[in-house]
Amino acid sequence: EAGVVQSPRYKIIEKKQPVAFWCNPISGHNTLYWYLQNLGQGPELLIRYENEEAVDDSQLPKDRFSAERLKGVDSTLKIQPAELGDSAVYLCASSFRDTVSDTQYFGPGTRLTVL
Amino acid sequence: AQKVTQAQTEISVVEKEDVTLDCVYETRDTTYYLFWYKQPPSGELVFLIRRNSFDEQNEISGRYSWNFQKSTSSFNFTITASQVVDSAVYFCALSGRVGGRDDKIIFGKGTRLHILP
Repeated sequence: EAGVVQSPRYKIIEKKQPVAFWCNPISGHNTLYWYLQNLGQGPELLIRYENEEAVDDSQLPKDRFSAERLKGVDSTLKIQPAELGDSAVYLCASSFRDTVSDTQYFGPGTRLTVL
Repeated sequence: AQKVTQAQTEISVVEKEDVTLDCVYETRDTTYYLFWYKQPPSGELVFLIRRNSFDEQNEISGRYSWNFQKSTSSFNFTITASQVVDSAVYFCALSGRVGGRDDKIIFGKGTRLHILP
């Protein structure tokens, strides 16, 4: 079974430019997560989708970050405009949420460098 | 507030030695879940184990074992007879239960493990 797919794996942009990351979750998983991981830190949740609905976006900096999950499958995370401090790894994860189980499976991440 | 502390930032051991990674957590939830993930140099977080707060039985999976102690709020991870392939960053994580479903996961800062040949 294919895991969580993310692209691109690496992205280098200049500050003030826009950037977008794409995630395809594991087939059948209804919940999708975007995390930010800074160097030497654990992942921090940015947004969580249950199907098409964003159920937790409290940590998403909405002035420059946006996300969408059309049709409840793939998702895109966008930053516009990017700032130097946005350099990090952006991880996508998915899970099948029911009443007893919610193990998250992660993709390889997109490493963003803002110059 | 929930919190996960991994006090060991970095550990180095020689291959075949046993090594224990510590994890201490804080939560006010009566029902919660604890996780361990492995992050090799490739960057992908690999799920290792999920344990709920009502199950204090220790678990063993091959060379891996986990010791859950509610009395000390700890969920430690031991690798027996370590191998070079075990070199990675290991994250301990915690989630609560809200309305019958798991709340978001809070990760510790990770422990970087070096297994020296």
